[in-house]
Amino acid sequence: EPEVTQTPSHQVTQMGQEVILRCVPISNHLYFYWYRQILGQKVEFLVSFYNNEISEKSEIFDDQFSVERPDGSNFTLKIRSTKLEDSAMYFCASSLGTVYNSPLHFGNGTRLTVT
Amino acid sequence: AQRVTQPEKLLSVFKGAPVELKCNYSYSGSPELFWYVQYSRQRLQLLLRHISRESIKGFTADLNKGETSFHLKKPFAQEEDSAMYYCALSGLRADKLIFGTGTRLQVFP
Repeated sequence: EPEVTQTPSHQVTQMGQEVILRCVPISNHLYFYWYRQILGQKVEFLVSFYNNEISEKSEIFDDQFSVERPDGSNFTLKIRSTKLEDSAMYFCASSLGTVYNSPLHFGNGTRLTVT
Repeated sequence: AQRVTQPEKLLSVFKGAPVELKCNYSYSGSPELFWYVQYSRQRLQLLLRHISRESIKGFTADLNKGETSFHLKKPFAQEEDSAMYYCALSGLRADKLIFGTGTRLQVFP
């Protein structure tokens, strides 16, 4: 069964550094998402992406964050200048249709630690 | 405000006992409600959704608009049901899921 894959599984970075989290969604999916989960807290929506543009974003997704689908297969989340509070598990997800109509398929996540 | 509340962080039952995982929501429009599950060392995955009205692995959930609840139930818990369960909602025109904080279900033999 096809799966969403995320790399790396764990990323450690220093405060102020740029970090790129990578995801390969399921190949025929059209909608792509990033969520994050700070330790002990709930899974929070960051951004959704469809037809090569952001379709919705949360308040968390400020100017420090950006997403790209550079080559038709990868879907990346970039944090320009990391802060301590960016430490979290970041989940990529993809779906065939909108959230309302199709299940989200999640990756295993990337644990980002900002020191 | 859009919110999903799962009041229990942990629910422990013995095998064969009934299970009810509580979920309440706050949403101004017509939400679609979901239950996602994460088994140990596995990824988050959809368990069931309100609109499908199906039973998955013996679990059912009924949307009660009057009480704004979507509790997950199973009459006889199994050890393999032990997992983290997340209630979530989405609006018709929204392209995001709003998750609750999750409830860890432990089923003892």
